[in-house]
Amino acid sequence: EPEVTQTPSHQVTQMGQEVILRCVPISNHLYFYWYRQILGQKVEFLVSFYNNEISEKSEIFDDQFSVERPDGSNFTLKIRSTKLEDSAMYFCASSDRGLGSPLHFGNGTRLTVT
Amino acid sequence: SQQGEEDPQALSIQEGENATMNCSYKTSINNLQWYRQNSGICLVHLILIRSNEREKHSGRLRVTLDTSKKSSSLLITASRAADTASYFCALELSNDYKLSFGAGTTVTVRA
Repeated sequence: EPEVTQTPSHQVTQMGQEVILRCVPISNHLYFYWYRQILGQKVEFLVSFYNNEISEKSEIFDDQFSVERPDGSNFTLKIRSTKLEDSAMYFCASSDRGLGSPLHFGNGTRLTVT
Repeated sequence: SQQGEEDPQALSIQEGENATMNCSYKTSINNLQWYRQNSGICLVHLILIRSNEREKHSGRLRVTLDTSKKSSSLLITASRAADTASYFCALELSNDYKLSFGAGTTVTVRA
């Protein structure tokens, strides 16, 4: 079964550094998402992306965050200047039809900011 | 709030027993979805139930939706140790374009 893949599985970075989290969505999917989960807490929506532009973003997704689909397969989340509170599990997801269809999640990238 | 609230927060049952968890919400929805998360890693989609549906089944899973009470339940029958996980309800709201997750129910199935 096709799956969403995320790299790296774990990223450790120093406060103030830039990080790029990478995702390869399922190949025929057109809708892409980033969520994050701080340890032991709920899964929070960050951003949705369709047709090469952001469809919706949450309050968390401020100017420090950006997303990009640099080619036909990758979908990236960049955090420009990481803060301690950015430490979380970041999940990429994709769906084929957007609204009304299930999301397929990757295994996540655990980001630790020291 | 615009996400579902699961109840209970945690549930411990014996293998073979049924597990029931509930999700309540406050706004209109297009659909409600249930996801499972093992060991804090991947979220796996279980069932999607649309606002005009009342009940859906998938294997040992049964989901109900009562839009008049704004609540849903997930029943796992004949539980197994492998069902140990966190279960989340996620709402697709009528006036929104994202899926909003609740805080989850942690289910422990004892052998």
